[in-house]
Amino acid sequence: GENVEQHPSTLSVQEGDSAVIKCTYSDSASNYFPWYKQELGKRPQLIIDIRSNVGEKKDQRIAVTLNKTAKHFSLHITETQPEDSAVYFCAASISGNQFYFGTGTSLTVIP
Amino acid sequence: DGGITQSPKYLFRKEGQNVTLSCEQNLNHDAMYWYRQDPGQGLRLIYYSQIVNDFQKGDIAEGYSVSREKKESFPLTVTSAQKNPTAFYLCASSTTGLGYDTQYFGPGTRLTVL
Repeated sequence: GENVEQHPSTLSVQEGDSAVIKCTYSDSASNYFPWYKQELGKRPQLIIDIRSNVGEKKDQRIAVTLNKTAKHFSLHITETQPEDSAVYFCAASISGNQFYFGTGTSLTVIP
Repeated sequence: DGGITQSPKYLFRKEGQNVTLSCEQNLNHDAMYWYRQDPGQGLRLIYYSQIVNDFQKGDIAEGYSVSREKKESFPLTVTSAQKNPTAFYLCASSTTGLGYDTQYFGPGTRLTVL
């Protein structure tokens, strides 16, 4: 099956700086890559996703890039704010059937 | 995401007992999923169902069972055969389970085995 690795496991940044979280996947058939944000004690929520036919997607301060050749994709958060503090999960799936999740990155934005 | 509910929020079980976790959705979604979340291990798929009366095992199905008698409901039973059941359990649903559907998660149930 698919194997998704996520780095780093913890990340601390100063407010206003950028944060980057990276994931790699093993199955070249994976073609859908969502990112979820999970605040403490709450459910994971989709924040952005990308399909394999697109190299980059941006939504305000959040962007995701995908390198199919290298089989890795990254989440970029610019101008970080304290409310960005949460655990972020990447995932990979083949046509949205089974999802394989990374182990999560705990992001702390220091005011 | 408010259309998916899980109950109870916290659950305590004695060793050797079976326990059933509830998951209900009113989003008219065909597909439903159960994940287990452990510290440092992300989310791992237990079972999923793309249609009523049908379900498939995920990566860690041993010691768990499910049923899908109604579109809205996908209960998970943690049996005594599950060797390490203490974890946070998340239910999710998506429109079809095919294509690029967004998964919507419930609030979760934290199970503790005493």
